[in-house]
Amino acid sequence: EDQVTQSPEALRLQEGESSSLNCSYTVSGLRGLFWYRQDPGKGPEFLFTLYSAGEEKEKERLKATLTKKESFLHITAPKPEDSATYLCAVSILTGGGNKLTFGTGTQLKVEL
Amino acid sequence: DTGVSQDPRHKITKRGQNVTFRCDPISEHNRLYWYRQTLGQGPEFLTYFQNEAQLEKSRLLSDRFSAERPKGSFSTLEIQRTEQGDSAMYLCASSPTNTGEKLFFGSGTQLSVL
Repeated sequence: EDQVTQSPEALRLQEGESSSLNCSYTVSGLRGLFWYRQDPGKGPEFLFTLYSAGEEKEKERLKATLTKKESFLHITAPKPEDSATYLCAVSILTGGGNKLTFGTGTQLKVEL
Repeated sequence: DTGVSQDPRHKITKRGQNVTFRCDPISEHNRLYWYRQTLGQGPEFLTYFQNEAQLEKSRLLSDRFSAERPKGSFSTLEIQRTEQGDSAMYLCASSPTNTGEKLFFGSGTQLSVL
């Protein structure tokens, strides 16, 4: 069965303290790996898609990387506005449409 | 605003009542998805449509749940005889037909069953 596991469940950082979030996956055939950000009471907001091992993408203070078994979301010099839940999801080759299987998320809190 | 729109944002109902949620996807997107999310969990897939055809349903979707997309535009999700375990955020998303494209999510409908 396809599985997506995220760690840690929660992370508290001081402003400017860089760190990484992990997403490990076990799937029959990866079509794409997605990172989303979710603020309380809102739907997930798309951040990145990664398709093949070795691929990297960046956006402001965030950088996502992909290997054959896991993905990392690196946060460089975070600010309080980066506080949110970060969700990882996979789309598999035999899956219907663009159906995504999500992990449980990492809740990030950035403090002044 | 050309994003995914969901209505209502919040719904409080008594156990045993029926509820219906509406989703308006991004206009040029052929695919529409329903997900359910409970506190501390990631979204769980319920069902998806390509145009008006419902192509897949999750085992999570019991007989009390029904979804429609009558003209390939907006969609409705109905829950009959609601139970307390149905309390969750119901999220709608849409995507283009291109395989592997990202999903665009709405803000969700928060259902509370008393």
